[in-house]
Amino acid sequence: GAGVSQSPRYKVAKRGQDVALRCDPISGHVSLFWYQQALGQGPEFLTYFQNEAQLDKSGLPSDRFFAERPEGSVSTLKIQRTQQEDSAVYLCASSFDRAGAGGVYTFGSGTRLTVV
Amino acid sequence: GESVGLHLPTLSVQEGDNSIINCAYSNSASDYFIWYKQESGKGPQFIIDIRSNMDKRQGQRVTVLLNKTVKHLSLQIAATQPGDSAVYFCAEEDSGTYKYIFGTGTRLKVLA
Repeated sequence: GAGVSQSPRYKVAKRGQDVALRCDPISGHVSLFWYQQALGQGPEFLTYFQNEAQLDKSGLPSDRFFAERPEGSVSTLKIQRTQQEDSAVYLCASSFDRAGAGGVYTFGSGTRLTVV
Repeated sequence: GESVGLHLPTLSVQEGDNSIINCAYSNSASDYFIWYKQESGKGPQFIIDIRSNMDKRQGQRVTVLLNKTVKHLSLQIAATQPGDSAVYFCAEEDSGTYKYIFGTGTRLKVLA
């Protein structure tokens, strides 16, 4: 596609519920990132994939967060047993180059997760 | 990141005036810097970038200035237009890594 597509755009989850957030990166993009953006703050790094390999998951807040990109294209961010502090916008970004090459990242519009 | 809650710093400018948005970055080892624009309900959109071996870079209506001595970055927007209204974030990439560290953001309001 022309841009990074994320779905759903909005998700309301009851506390304790599991959620799955999807990211469709730009076709052919090697690098894929997930960021978390709390209200009124800048995005914070969660995890990075180079093709299907998850090279860095140091930003994931807890073991309730899990991300995958099994075929090197679409990625899913899963949050188990959601808690109120998980409420945020989850942004996906992709880049043609491998990360660290200084390539420009293209962000999707994000999924706004609200945990009630 | 540093928390600023719901109260982002706000810059209000008259349409047609020039805007200057400032950012202090944290890591002296960072060698790549980017400015992003984020409109309500959208993801960050790339505006302009600069490497640490430069101190100025110009784009269309935008200029980024980098002062490594004081770890300061600024974005200048010429002839500000209503469509420039958004939140602006600077981001730094630590040398040898790929993680962007975003600043706290500045809301730009363009007054007609």
